[in-house]
Amino acid sequence: AQSVTQLGSHVSVSEGALVLLRCNYSSSVPPYLFWYVQYPNQGLQLLLKYTTGATLVKGINGFEAEFKKSETSFHLTKPSAHMSDAAEYFCAVSKSGGYNKLIFGAGTRLAVHP
Amino acid sequence: ETGVTQSPTHLIKTRGQQVTLRCSSQSGHNTVSWYQQALGQGPQFIFQYYREEENGRGNFPPRFSGLQFPNYSSELNVNALELDDSALYLCASSSRTSGGDTDTQYFGPGTRLTVL
Repeated sequence: AQSVTQLGSHVSVSEGALVLLRCNYSSSVPPYLFWYVQYPNQGLQLLLKYTTGATLVKGINGFEAEFKKSETSFHLTKPSAHMSDAAEYFCAVSKSGGYNKLIFGAGTRLAVHP
Repeated sequence: ETGVTQSPTHLIKTRGQQVTLRCSSQSGHNTVSWYQQALGQGPQFIFQYYREEENGRGNFPPRFSGLQFPNYSSELNVNALELDDSALYLCASSSRTSGGDTDTQYFGPGTRLTVL
């Protein structure tokens, strides 16, 4: 079975500070890993994904994440937070072939303070 | 290229009623998945449709049912609504066809269902 744990339901940073959102997964097969962002009253927008190959993946809006198999982690980072980054972030895992069902974590709400 | 669309955006029903939610998949996508997102939680997989047949189901009772049409659009039907069915219902489209973008599910804006 697959599962996702996001450490920290709320994270608060200052504008310009490093953003680090943590995600650990459990999977019995090579996972596909995703980060989605959800702005208030909207659907989910894909930030980035890991399928195979390079373990450091870059996404939109300056975000990146690194797949670490030994640590079963896929943490999301951004060097410098912007006010517009305030949103809910979800980490998800699926079996290879991203069309398979996504298993989501509970989400992390990011607040950015001036 | 058109994105995933859902209708209606908001819906209010009472307990025991039935509801139908609709989803149009992104151009070129042949697979539709439905998710339920309760307030403050991550989305949970309900089921997926491919080639007009259910292709995988999460831990949801049979009163949650769906359809997929030849144009790949889809419906989610919920019978005998309960208060706990109040949630944001998200539709996601993807492609199982090799050569297409098989790696990613693209989400619509969702339908907010409130059951009173």
